[in-house]
Amino acid sequence: GQQLNQSPQSMFIQEGEDVSMNCTSSSIFNTWLWYKQDPGEGPVLLIALYKAGELTSNGRLTAQFGITRKDSFLNISASIPSDVGIYFCASSNAGGTSYGKLTFGQGTILTVHP
Amino acid sequence: NAGVMQNPRHLVRRRGQEARLRCSPMKGHSHVYWYRQLPEEGLKFMVYLQKENIIDESGMPKERFSAEFPKEGPSILRIQQVVRGDSAAYFCASSHGQGAYNEQFFGPGTRLTVL
Repeated sequence: GQQLNQSPQSMFIQEGEDVSMNCTSSSIFNTWLWYKQDPGEGPVLLIALYKAGELTSNGRLTAQFGITRKDSFLNISASIPSDVGIYFCASSNAGGTSYGKLTFGQGTILTVHP
Repeated sequence: NAGVMQNPRHLVRRRGQEARLRCSPMKGHSHVYWYRQLPEEGLKFMVYLQKENIIDESGMPKERFSAEFPKEGPSILRIQQVVRGDSAAYFCASSHGQGAYNEQFFGPGTRLTVL
């Protein structure tokens, strides 16, 4: 089946540092999404990307949809303690028989030291 | 407007028992997806339903697992004769429509533990 390779697996950073994580796939997708999951909760959507090459920001978060449609990255600038959590990339191919079901990466565990 | 609701939040079952997980989608949403998350892994798609119809169950094991989304009431994910390997967090998500531009909103999940 389709798989997303997400890296790094975990990150330990100091408050104020910038963070970068990425996702790659062997398949082409037409949508890339980035989610954050807090302990004991479901994923919450951070950024959605719908067009190859698209660069989108949401506050301190910036994400890009790779031009090949096989990769995406997420940057977090000036990290703060509440950024702690697990970040997942996800992708889908809406239309046809995929019905928008999401394929998730393995997650990046982010720890921010004050 | 309440978000996606799931209950119970935690469920403990002994091997061989049945587990019933409920999901009430957001108001106005008629599309429900179920995902399973094993410890330290990403979510894996199981099944996609619209009201009263299973549209895609390609991610759901063929035996012991079933899902429904009746005309009235919540969507139910049912696991019969649970085994230890069924222990996981089960999330449902709902959306207004299908496809890329219809954001899936996730519930808080049901954490199933099989003893």
